[in-house]
Amino acid sequence: EPEVTQTPSHQVTQMGQEVILRCVPISNHLYFYWYRQILGQKVEFLVSFYNNEISEKSEIFDDQFSVERPDGSNFTLKIRSTKLEDSAMYFCASSETSGDTQYFGPGTRLTVL
Amino acid sequence: RKEVEQDPGPFNVPEGATVAFNCTYSNSASQSFFWYRQDCRKEPKLLMSVYSSGNEDGRFTAQLNRASQYISLLIRDSKLSDSATYLCVVNRIGGSQGNLIFGKGTKLSVKP
Repeated sequence: EPEVTQTPSHQVTQMGQEVILRCVPISNHLYFYWYRQILGQKVEFLVSFYNNEISEKSEIFDDQFSVERPDGSNFTLKIRSTKLEDSAMYFCASSETSGDTQYFGPGTRLTVL
Repeated sequence: RKEVEQDPGPFNVPEGATVAFNCTYSNSASQSFFWYRQDCRKEPKLLMSVYSSGNEDGRFTAQLNRASQYISLLIRDSKLSDSATYLCVVNRIGGSQGNLIFGKGTKLSVKP
């Protein structure tokens, strides 16, 4: 069964450093998403991406965040200058069409020290 | 009012019990509704979509009441493997690409 994959599974970084989280969506999916979940809290939407551009972003997704689809398979989330409060699980998801079932990757646990 | 609200639990039930989860949502224009389950430190996984007429998948039954903006999930004959956090999820309206709004989840522990 096709699945969304994410790397790394755990990333530890120093405050102020840049991190790039990587995702490989399911191959025939066209819509891509990033969500985050701070420990003990709910899953929160960050950004959606379609046709090589951002479709929608939440208030969390400020200028420190960016997304990119550098090639035909990868979908990345970059945090330019990490803050302590960026520590969370970051989930990538993809769907075949808008409003269709979203399939989530296993997540990257980001720890900012 | 929170966009999606759930009883936080935890619900501790014996094997074989029937357990019900409730959820309310604030945006009356929401169109798609789901139940996801999330195991500890894992990704959310779709359990079932919720349709207006109600739907059943084996031991799981989901109901939607649009007038009350209320969603429910019933698990019959609960198994140890049902232990997880159950997330009520609503599709955001106004978002062009089906972005999901999650409740905080209700934790279920099924004991032998």
